[in-house]
Amino acid sequence: GAGVSQTPSNKVTEKGKYVELRCDPISGHTALYWYRQSLGQGPEFLIYFQGTGAADDSGLPNDRFFAVRPEGSVSTLKIQRTERGDSAVYLCASSPGTSGGGYNEQFFGPGTRLTVL
Amino acid sequence: AQSVTQLDSQVPVFEEAPVELRCNYSSSVSVYLFWYVQYPNQGLQLLLKYLSGSTLVKGINGFEAEFNKSQTSFHLRKPSVHISDTAEYFCAVKGSGGYQKVTFGTGTKLQVIP
Repeated sequence: GAGVSQTPSNKVTEKGKYVELRCDPISGHTALYWYRQSLGQGPEFLIYFQGTGAADDSGLPNDRFFAVRPEGSVSTLKIQRTERGDSAVYLCASSPGTSGGGYNEQFFGPGTRLTVL
Repeated sequence: AQSVTQLDSQVPVFEEAPVELRCNYSSSVSVYLFWYVQYPNQGLQLLLKYLSGSTLVKGINGFEAEFNKSQTSFHLRKPSVHISDTAEYFCAVKGSGGYQKVTFGTGTKLQVIP
């Protein structure tokens, strides 16, 4: 089956503009995660959805960042008033869900490379 | 809270030579440990994981890692590398109880030299 897909693959925008990044998880996966990977760094957690609700948004850096998942499938990461420091690769991952103290593998998409000029 | 340290940002190694990529973690709770590989312009792919049981875990592409609780380490090894192993490798940790976010290290770039 299809894996996690993210669109666009590349996005170039100007400082101050608004951007939306889309993630299509693997069909049937209830958990969805967004990460940000800056140059030379590992992925940094942003937000986690279980179904339609944001179960953990503690990684969002400030109120310019927002994410939605209205139907429990596709998710959109929204960044307002972009700044040059927002330039990074934004990764999305999905998993079958969280089973309490158990483990469910996260499957990653290829990412969206955001460049803010 | 947990953290991961990958001291080596780059590791050059000749083809068919062995390699070890180092990972140390800190956590106040029991953990799950992971190694992911990222090829250029691709997403992360899980290489192997330690959840419980045997401390020596084997993964895909001939890689293995050993969980050492006393040294809080989870080093990745391969006895003979190939050109195709050239990629960036990330160690990651997750608390084992309830929902816990995954924390990644800064990555190690493995460069296999022909």
